[in-house]
Amino acid sequence: GESVGLHLPTLSVQEGDNSIINCAYSNSASDYFIWYKQESGKGPQFIIDIRSNMDKRQGQRVTVLLNKTVKHLSLQIAATQPGDSAVYFCAENQAGTALIFGKGTTLSVSS
Amino acid sequence: NAGVTQTPKFRVLKTGQSMTLLCAQDMNHEYMYWYRQDPGMGLRLIHYSVGEGTTAKGEVPDGYNVSRLKKQNFLLGLESAAPSQTSVYFCASSYSLADYEQYFGPGTRLTVT
Repeated sequence: GESVGLHLPTLSVQEGDNSIINCAYSNSASDYFIWYKQESGKGPQFIIDIRSNMDKRQGQRVTVLLNKTVKHLSLQIAATQPGDSAVYFCAENQAGTALIFGKGTTLSVSS
Repeated sequence: NAGVTQTPKFRVLKTGQSMTLLCAQDMNHEYMYWYRQDPGMGLRLIHYSVGEGTTAKGEVPDGYNVSRLKKQNFLLGLESAAPSQTSVYFCASSYSLADYEQYFGPGTRLTVT
């Protein structure tokens, strides 16, 4: 079946730096993408989403970029804080199907 | 508004025992899901439901059964637990199957010995 993958399982950054978490997807028919954040011992929490008719979407301190040509999705976190330390998952969806999650990237932020 | 709740939070079973995990949501969502999360594997969909009285298989349905007798509840059953079912189980709900975020519960950590 189709799958969503992340380029790196771990990412370490310094507090105040910008973080970029990448995700590659294989299903060109996917039309909706979501980023989730999962803190230790908790369930995933929605961060931001983007539809396939968009290239970029911004939230508070976060930006998601979608490159459909190379089937690549990225999450940018500005001015990373210790509270951003978590596992980040991308997920893809085709209309009428359930979300498919990637394996996750662990972001560690040091002070 | 409690969102999505799961009971129990922790459980230890012996091989061959059965149990039921309960998920409840108070957001009037039509869609509910059960996932399992294993180290390095991300979230894998077990079963899902598109409405009261309906269920469908996900990516890894074997060894599990589900029921959706009430809109707000989604039950996950293990009839004969196996060590391979040791995992963290998450329930989620959403307004729609596509194009909408899923809200997750806090998870149930299950150990099968």
